[in-house]
Order: sequence, then C-alpha cells, then structure tokens
Amino acid sequence: GAVVSQHPSRVICKSGTSVKIECRSLDFQATTMFWYRQFPKKSLMLMATSNEGSKATYEQGVEKDKFLINHASLTLSTLTVTSAHPEDSSFYICSASRDTGELFFGEGSRLTVL
Amino acid sequence: AQKVTQAQTEISVVEKEDVTLDCVYETRDTTYYLFWYKQPPSGELVFLIRRNSFDEQNEISGRYSWNFQKSTSSFNFTITASQVVDSAVYFCALRYTGNQFYFGTGTSLTVIP
Repeated sequence: GAVVSQHPSRVICKSGTSVKIECRSLDFQATTMFWYRQFPKKSLMLMATSNEGSKATYEQGVEKDKFLINHASLTLSTLTVTSAHPEDSSFYICSASRDTGELFFGEGSRLTVL
Repeated sequence: AQKVTQAQTEISVVEKEDVTLDCVYETRDTTYYLFWYKQPPSGELVFLIRRNSFDEQNEISGRYSWNFQKSTSSFNFTITASQVVDSAVYFCALRYTGNQFYFGTGTSLTVIP
C-alpha cells in the first residue's frame, strides 16, 4: 500500500537552532500534505496544509514564521521549526492524500528541544 | 462546527474481554468520512477503517467491528476477545471538505494479560 515516510523519527536539538523534518510520499504523488502536532497524551492538532507549488495554509494560532513549510515537489514536504525552544518539543506527524481520497500518515517525528 | 467526541479517556480491560470505544461526531456537511486510527506506543498512526456518510452498513474485520449510526451521530468501535497487542490509543476522526481531518481526543486502551 501507499507509504508516507518521515525523517528524522527523533531529533534532539539545542534551543535557538532550527530543525527540518521531511515528509515523503513513497509511491504516489501528493499535491496536498498536512502537518499535525501532538502533545503528550493529547489529540492531533492540524497545523497547516501544504500545497505543492504554493504557500502553505496555516491554522489559526500557528506561527508561520516559526513553522516554515515547503512543498517543493509532489512527493516531498518539509517542516522547519525555526529558532526552536523547549515549548516546541512535540510529536509532529505529516499526512498525504492520494487520488483515491485515502489519507496516509507518516511515522511521526519526535522533537526534543533542550 | 466540526467536532469529534471520544468521551472515554482511558479504558482497561482484561485480556479476552470485549471492549467498545465510543465516538460521537458533529458536522453540518452531508458528505463526510469517518475514520478510526490506532496509535501504538511507537507513535505511528495505523489506519483501521474509513466509512462515508452514505454507507451505514456495519462492518466486521476479524476481531474488529464498527457500528455507524447517523441517527445518533455515532461511530463506535468494538474489539472482541481483546489481546495485549490491542493496547494503544485509538482515535476517531472526521474528514470533511478539503481533506482536512478533525481528530477526537483519543481513547487509551490497556489490555491486561
């Protein structure tokens, strides 16, 4: 079946640095990808919708300059957490929709900011 | 407004017991999709089922079964003869216009051996 892959699965960084997380659709083209954030023991919150070739659409309350999203190709979207702080520590999950309408999720990336 | 409610935050059952996870949704759309996902401790979301708003047939897949009732806006999930490997957080989700998902808060299921 379709697979969406995220990399890295775990990342630890120092406060003030930037971290990039990749989301790839491995066997299908995805014009739209989604980025979610999940706090411990909480639900998934949609952060933004990533559209290939155009700017991402951010949900209310999500800082565009903090969470940079780039969807440069039909199989790759990236989320860059800029100037990361400990409160940015979280589990980030991407998803991609194929033409059948099915939505597939990546394995998630756990970010820890020291 | 779109909304998904999973009232059960945590459930514990003894192995081999049956367990039902409740999901109540709210939407003004006439066309929508409902999903159940399993999230084991490793974190990845595992797709379990998708049901569209026009298909109220109940579905059984092995030990899993789903009961979709539009009249009560519910999409409940039953695990029969639970096993330790079923321990996970289960999310009910509503998909509406634009492929956006709205997730419930999840139900953490612990199956005790």
